[in-house]
Amino acid sequence: EDQVTQSPEALRLQEGESSSLNCSYTVSGLRGLFWYRQDPGKGPEFLFTLYSAGEEKEKERLKATLTKKESFLHITAPKPEDSATYLCAVQEGSNYKLTFGKGTLLTVNP
Amino acid sequence: DVKVTQSSRYLVKRTGEKVFLECVQDMDHENMFWYRQDPGLGLRLIYFSYDVKMKEKGDIPEGYSVSREKKERFSLILESASTNQTSMYLCASSFVGYTEAFFGQGTRLTVV
Repeated sequence: EDQVTQSPEALRLQEGESSSLNCSYTVSGLRGLFWYRQDPGKGPEFLFTLYSAGEEKEKERLKATLTKKESFLHITAPKPEDSATYLCAVQEGSNYKLTFGKGTLLTVNP
Repeated sequence: DVKVTQSSRYLVKRTGEKVFLECVQDMDHENMFWYRQDPGLGLRLIYFSYDVKMKEKGDIPEGYSVSREKKERFSLILESASTNQTSMYLCASSFVGYTEAFFGQGTRLTVV
């Protein structure tokens, strides 16, 4: 069973059409949850870190939230340049490694 | 800005060759990581290091080894490359503790 599950696998939006991406996790002792953006052929780019339930972070059109079982990445009025794969990762226990979900491929059409 | 630099963007090697992938970071990070990324499988951790000369196996260490002789440099070694090691390899680094990791641009390795 995957520890980190992202949904949907792919999402196609029209420019300006707001939506949310989901990251659910089953790890115990969550230390941190991380969101990354990855463009084709490039390394992941760090977006947000969330540490405790109820925490929220915002950057431009993106807002990340965290509950005890899942995180959401809300995208408000997206633009075509927001098209990318969005990755979620968790750290648990005393381990510093990041465990990643498989990502959500977001396409925003003009 | 944090900079994690991988020595090659694209690499083509023959089956059985010994392959070295190099990664250098300029932020004095203690932790360094090697992941591979494959379609449908996501990012999987191969090895990580939390200090010079220290290393720990990740989820898929078979067929790989690593070296960290200096704090800023972390090398991934494929002892005898095989076609199933064709993949995108990503290096990352972070400060000790529960903090974000920063990634390099990736090395697309093809083993023929």
